[in-house]
Amino acid sequence: RKEVEQDPGPFNVPEGATVAFNCTYSNSASQSFFWYRQDCRKEPKLLMSVYSSGNEDGRFTAQLNRASQYISLLIRDSKLSDSATYLCVVGPAGRRALTFGSGTRLQVQP
Amino acid sequence: GAVVSQHPSWVICKSGTSVKIECRSLDFQATTMFWYRQFPKQSLMLMATSNEGSKATYEQGVEKDKFLINHASLTLSTLTVTSAHPEDSSFYICSASQGAAKDTQYFGPGTRLTVL
Repeated sequence: RKEVEQDPGPFNVPEGATVAFNCTYSNSASQSFFWYRQDCRKEPKLLMSVYSSGNEDGRFTAQLNRASQYISLLIRDSKLSDSATYLCVVGPAGRRALTFGSGTRLQVQP
Repeated sequence: GAVVSQHPSWVICKSGTSVKIECRSLDFQATTMFWYRQFPKQSLMLMATSNEGSKATYEQGVEKDKFLINHASLTLSTLTVTSAHPEDSSFYICSASQGAAKDTQYFGPGTRLTVL
């Protein structure tokens, strides 16, 4: 079983749509959680950290469910510029390195 | 702030040659740097964790004699792919963090290596 699992997609949505991505992780002792965005042939860029209380940044909302070991990202009012691969990233307990999911590809269409 | 650079951004080399990739933190001191590799349509895979002034810690399955890592200063880490072969062709990305565990990692722009 992979440490971090994501639906690879692609998710093809029209502009203005709301789209949600899910991610599960296997290490129950994991301590930090993030969503990164990666554009084609570029490095990952931090989109947002994820907290148990949930957090929102503009059109983006992230949620963490520790009991179910599940992380989600909600994007509202999708823009063409949101087209990218979204990486679910987990920081395992006792380690500083990050474990990346394989990413979910989003394509927002006009 | 928190900018990480990598050099070169891309390299094409012949099989059997060695390639050195530099990772620099430009505006902060990076106590720890990480090296990742990403094959097409796959996730980033951690290769090794590098702490300034000490030996790197390699992940299982990564050959330390083939992927030499040096972290000689708080702003520079290098990855040398020795005797590169076509199967080493990949996107190599470094990241750097400033201090304690859970610190945000800042990623370099990556180096695309193609071995002919």
